[in-house]
Amino acid sequence: GAVVSQHPSRVICKSGTSVKIECRSLDFQATTMFWYRQFPKQSLMLMATSNEGSKATYEQGVEKDKFLINHASLTLSTLTVTSAHPEDSSFYICSASRRGEPQHFGDGTRLSIL
Amino acid sequence: QKEVEQDPGPLSVPEGAIVSLNCTYSNSAFQYFMWYRQYSRKGPELLMYTYSSGNKEDGRFTAQVDKSSKYISLFIRDSQPSDSATYLCAMSEGSGGSNYKLTFGKGTLLTVNP
Repeated sequence: GAVVSQHPSRVICKSGTSVKIECRSLDFQATTMFWYRQFPKQSLMLMATSNEGSKATYEQGVEKDKFLINHASLTLSTLTVTSAHPEDSSFYICSASRRGEPQHFGDGTRLSIL
Repeated sequence: QKEVEQDPGPLSVPEGAIVSLNCTYSNSAFQYFMWYRQYSRKGPELLMYTYSSGNKEDGRFTAQVDKSSKYISLFIRDSQPSDSATYLCAMSEGSGGSNYKLTFGKGTLLTVNP
């Protein structure tokens, strides 16, 4: 149980493109979903926390207009990187949790902006 | 001082060895402790989850928490080449909702040699 699916796993696109990443909890309803960014050989950096039906809470230094998060249902959250530039290239990982339970992670999306 | 300290390694052991991974923390409000395993280019996979001092065993894995010393450990018995991965400790002040932000260690890269 507690499977989290993230799609796509790999994106390569041109600078200026907007990219949408989906995160789904397949076998449970997630009260909270989280979005992380991970640089090579670094730990995970929390970008934002998202509760179903409410606005996401962004960490300090994360631009909310750049990284749009939508959490429309208890099983789906999306992260849209708007007008992506090469410095946005990274490994983006989502996680989902139910109240009182640990976070379960998706397999990440490797984003490369040319 | 960082909230969570974890030796990044790398750690290299022969197959069959007992592996000990450790993290120390400074925030006494942390109450929930997790160990995740992350293979290259994948999301973290939950290995152990505990919220009390003492030992918790699951197969070849034992998690140990000492809240008085602010120290947690993960032991891997009879290590296998398939255990080669980065191991991340993580902890939080609460479970569920916005209290469930995880603070990660930097991760320890483990290689088990056949």
